[in-house]
Amino acid sequence: EDQVTQSPEALRLQEGESSSLNCSYTVSGLRGLFWYRQDPGKGPEFLFTLYSAGEEKEKERLKATLTKKESFLHITAPKPEDSATYLCAVRLFRGGATNKLIFGTGTLLAVQP
Amino acid sequence: DGGITQSPKYLFRKEGQNVTLSCEQNLNHDAMYWYRQDPGQGLRLIYYSQIVNDFQKGDIAEGYSVSREKKESFPLTVTSAQKNPTAFYLCASEAGTSDYNEQFFGPGTRLTVL
Repeated sequence: EDQVTQSPEALRLQEGESSSLNCSYTVSGLRGLFWYRQDPGKGPEFLFTLYSAGEEKEKERLKATLTKKESFLHITAPKPEDSATYLCAVRLFRGGATNKLIFGTGTLLAVQP
Repeated sequence: DGGITQSPKYLFRKEGQNVTLSCEQNLNHDAMYWYRQDPGQGLRLIYYSQIVNDFQKGDIAEGYSVSREKKESFPLTVTSAQKNPTAFYLCASEAGTSDYNEQFFGPGTRLTVL
């Protein structure tokens, strides 16, 4: 069964304390992995797309990496405004019939000043 | 500014009523999606449309219906057949069916059944 698992479910950091969020997947026919940020009561905001193992992307204090089985979202020297839920999603290949995404349940990040 | 709008932001429904959630995009995207988000669960796909006048069921389509008469609009109707409709509903759009396109999300509609 295609599955996306995010860990930890919740993470509390002090401002400036770097850490990583994990997204592991067991799917066949991966066609991309996506990271989103979601603030309470709002829609997800796109952050990164990764397509192949070894790929890395950076944006401000965030860096996303991808291996054949998992992706990491590294947060360097976080600030309170980085507090949000971070969602991971994978796109599956199903013979070209759909661009379906499967989402993980997210990691709730709280950064304390 | 280009983007996706959803209305209303909050919606209350009495049992037995049908309600329609609006989703409009001005990004000129071909594909549009409806997801449902519940606490502790990942986003689940309700319906999607890759082109005007065509749509397909997602993983949890029972109790929902959609239409795609215009490229810009993809309304979702939550019918009385949906037994547990209280949730946060998200609409998304995507430029096309390439693997390289990301989905952009609207601000969401929170539906509560009274």
